[in-house]
Amino acid sequence: EDKVVQSPLSLVVHEGDTVTLNCSYEVTNFRSLLWYKQEKKAPTFLFMLTSSGIEKKSGRLSSILDKKELFSILNITATQTGDSAIYLCAVVKAAGNKLTFGGGTRVLVKP
Amino acid sequence: DAGVIQSPRHEVTEMGQEVTLRCKPISGHNSLFWYRQTMMRGLELLIYFNNNVPIDDSGMPEDRFSAKMPNASFSTLKIQPSEPRDSAVYFCASTVVGSGDTQYFGPGTRLTVL
Repeated sequence: EDKVVQSPLSLVVHEGDTVTLNCSYEVTNFRSLLWYKQEKKAPTFLFMLTSSGIEKKSGRLSSILDKKELFSILNITATQTGDSAIYLCAVVKAAGNKLTFGGGTRVLVKP
Repeated sequence: DAGVIQSPRHEVTEMGQEVTLRCKPISGHNSLFWYRQTMMRGLELLIYFNNNVPIDDSGMPEDRFSAKMPNASFSTLKIQPSEPRDSAVYFCASTVVGSGDTQYFGPGTRLTVL
């Protein structure tokens, strides 16, 4: 059975701190890994990763994939209160376009 | 451009009643997904369609749940009869097959079954 596990479950940091979120997976025929941010409503897309070792960046957020060790990390530097959210990772298999989500990491950034 | 549209945004009903959730995907998208999110189980895929055809419904919990996509711009998820354990947020998402794996989510329907 496919598995996507995120850690930690939750964390509390102060503004300006750096946060590292982990996503490990066990799926057959892996194709891509996606990160989403969910605030009060729908998940919004952050990154899609398909190749190992290539960092994707968007402002203070960055992510990288390791297909040998089967994990990805999402980094947030200089955190702000607006970064408070649940961060979800999901994997897609080679056949089909179904996303399998991890349980998410809840991040709270305090002023 | 409008995103994925879902209705209603909130639904409160009594156990045993029929519930119908509606979704309009982004125009031009040909793949549509229904998800359910709860605190206990996180975000789970229920069913998805490509070009209006159901591809994978293995996540549909039981026969009380059914989904249809009569055309490219409309889908429904029906629960009949509803039970309190169906209380959750139901999301619809859409994408274009073959364009990458990014899915765009609607605002969700918060369902409460009393």
